[in-house]
Amino acid sequence: KAGVTQTPRYLIKTRGQQVTLSCSPISGHRSVSWYQQTPGQGLQFLFEYFSETQRNKGNFPGRFSGRQFSNSRSEMNVSTLELGDSALYLCASRQGQGVPEAFFGQGTRLTVV
Amino acid sequence: GQQVMQIPQYQHVQEGEDFTTYCNSSTTLSNIQWYKQRPGGHPVFLIQLVKSGEVKKQKRLTFQFGEAKKNSSLHITATQTTDVGTYFCAASGSARQLTFGSGTQLTVLP
Repeated sequence: KAGVTQTPRYLIKTRGQQVTLSCSPISGHRSVSWYQQTPGQGLQFLFEYFSETQRNKGNFPGRFSGRQFSNSRSEMNVSTLELGDSALYLCASRQGQGVPEAFFGQGTRLTVV
Repeated sequence: GQQVMQIPQYQHVQEGEDFTTYCNSSTTLSNIQWYKQRPGGHPVFLIQLVKSGEVKKQKRLTFQFGEAKKNSSLHITATQTTDVGTYFCAASGSARQLTFGSGTQLTVLP
């Protein structure tokens, strides 16, 4: 069974640009969550999608958005990039039943210059 | 939203010493999960605790859930260099959103 796949693995963008990150969850998992990880900040929750609907949202500005497709794949978009957006963006998939464990992808390392 | 506080932030131990990280919440948790992230890696699920006062063991790792379901701990006996990494607790509330603690970064000195 394939794990969670995130693309791209690394990305360098310039301030003001926008970026789209992709996440393919484990087959059969309908819940996809996104987290931002920066040194010393732990895992900051961005949002969670379940069956194409945003179920929860963290305290991030509106520049951060996401969506989920009918095949459960999810994308995260960040517009008008700022230097502070440089981080590891992690996607986690869950089956969606009860509160199961989260399976994380390798992450996308975004650097904003 | 739900918040979980985790301490300490960093811990350096000599190989063979014990290690403990603590997770605390001001609200009652329905469950708590523990994850380990190796340097350069991604978080990997270790265990989930659901019942009040629950204790689970995985080899040298012992996980506890408090009686009031507001705190949890992870204890590693006789640390090894393979234990190096950051340990996170994660809790979910009524919204089922997983909120992670800030993590404890463990360094094991040989």
